[in-house]
Amino acid sequence: DADVTQTPRNRITKTGKRIMLECSQTKGHDRMYWYRQDPGLGLRLIYYSFDVKDINKGEISDGYSVSRQAQAKFSLSLESAIPNQTALYFCATSDSGQSNEKLFFGSGTQLSVL
Amino acid sequence: AQSVTQLDSQVPVFEEAPVELRCNYSSSVSVYLFWYVQYPNQGLQLLLKYLSGSTLVKGINGFEAEFNKSQTSFHLRKPSVHISDTAEYFCAVSKYSGGYQKVTFGTGTKLQVIP
Repeated sequence: DADVTQTPRNRITKTGKRIMLECSQTKGHDRMYWYRQDPGLGLRLIYYSFDVKDINKGEISDGYSVSRQAQAKFSLSLESAIPNQTALYFCATSDSGQSNEKLFFGSGTQLSVL
Repeated sequence: AQSVTQLDSQVPVFEEAPVELRCNYSSSVSVYLFWYVQYPNQGLQLLLKYLSGSTLVKGINGFEAEFNKSQTSFHLRKPSVHISDTAEYFCAVSKYSGGYQKVTFGTGTKLQVIP
């Protein structure tokens, strides 16, 4: 089983709909992240969380919200989806916040907003 | 502010030929450098990282990268590529900022290995 699991793998929705992307991990890591990948732009950080009580905005948080339901679960919501939120979304974890720590990624969720 | 530049968006190369994927970074402070690989329909996974010490870093699958501080570069190389190396490669820099690990990714280089 994957250490970082994202559901769904693919989602097509309409403009204005509320969407939730889910992430769960079995690595026991405290830190969890949501990134967005767009062609030619690399990965950009949406939100990150150090623990259940700690949520922080990343560089592109507008239009998104998150919930850390437990140490192992971190959900990303689009309150009212718009077409420019069409992208590949990745959840990631790390063991600590130190600069030399590698990130562990899920397989991604491809979201299309029509 | 830190930034990462991957000048080549796509690199086609014949099987068993050598390859170099270029990465340049800028940062006002010391950073750690990473290369991640993304195979089709998968998430990113760590290929190698430079923290300190020897400037030549060896990673998985025969890849290596050389840290050059004067040129602010961290190019990825492999002497002989295989079909299975076809993937997208991301260079990244990381530093501790505001209480968390701030990671900045490059825009990615798609390596296409031609049989």
